[in-house]
Amino acid sequence: EDQVTQSPEALRLQEGESSSLNCSYTVSGLRGLFWYRQDPGKGPEFLFTLYSAGEEKEKERLKATLTKKESFLHITAPKPEDSATYLCAVRRDYGQNFVFGPGTRLSVLP
Amino acid sequence: EPEVTQTPSHQVTQMGQEVILRCVPISNHLYFYWYRQILGQKVEFLVSFYNNEISEKSEIFDDQFSVERPDGSNFTLKIRSTKLEDSAMYFCASSRQGLRSYNEQFFGPGTRLTVL
Repeated sequence: EDQVTQSPEALRLQEGESSSLNCSYTVSGLRGLFWYRQDPGKGPEFLFTLYSAGEEKEKERLKATLTKKESFLHITAPKPEDSATYLCAVRRDYGQNFVFGPGTRLSVLP
Repeated sequence: EPEVTQTPSHQVTQMGQEVILRCVPISNHLYFYWYRQILGQKVEFLVSFYNNEISEKSEIFDDQFSVERPDGSNFTLKIRSTKLEDSAMYFCASSRQGLRSYNEQFFGPGTRLTVL
C-alpha cells in the first residue's frame, strides 16, 4: 500500500534556528514528490517538485532534497512568517492523484 | 498570477440536503481535481477529471458525489444527500497535464462545508 509519512508531527524553532523536516514514502513507481505549504484555513500552496533521487531545489530559506526513500525540507535561519504546516505529497506512476502525508506543523518563535 | 478560485468559502447545510461546490481552475489547465480535508486530518483525493470525464476516483467518491464541467470555465462537485461526516474543507486543484507528466497541482483556497 502506498504510504507517505512525515516527521516530526510538530516543530517549534526559535527565529534563526535551522532545522529539517522529513518525508518518507513507499510508493510503487514514484512520479514526482511535491512539497506544499498550508496556512490555517487555506489551500496548499505549491513550493517544490522533485523528480529523481539526488535532485535539490531551493527557494529563499527553503531547500528540498530527494533520495530513493525520503525527502527533506531544510529550513535555514527561519523567520516567524515561515510558520505553517508543510505537506509532502507523492504521485504514483499509474495515477494522477496525489497521496499526501499528514504534514509537519512548524512554529517559528521571534 | 493565475490562480484557482472556489465559491462559496463557507457552506452550511442540513443533513440530507444537496450542495454544489464551485471551482474555476486555471484557464490553460486540462486536469481538474477535488480533494477534501477533514479537520486535523490529511488531505485526501476524491476525483480527477479530464476531457469531460472522470479519469480516476477514490473509495470516498461514492454515488453521493458527482462532478461536472458545465461550461468552459467552471468545475463543480455535487453532494446529493449530505451526511454529518461530509463536513470538511473541500479543495479544488488543477494541473496543466496529468498522466504522462510531472506537473504540479495548484490548489484553490477551499470551501468549508459544515453539515448540521
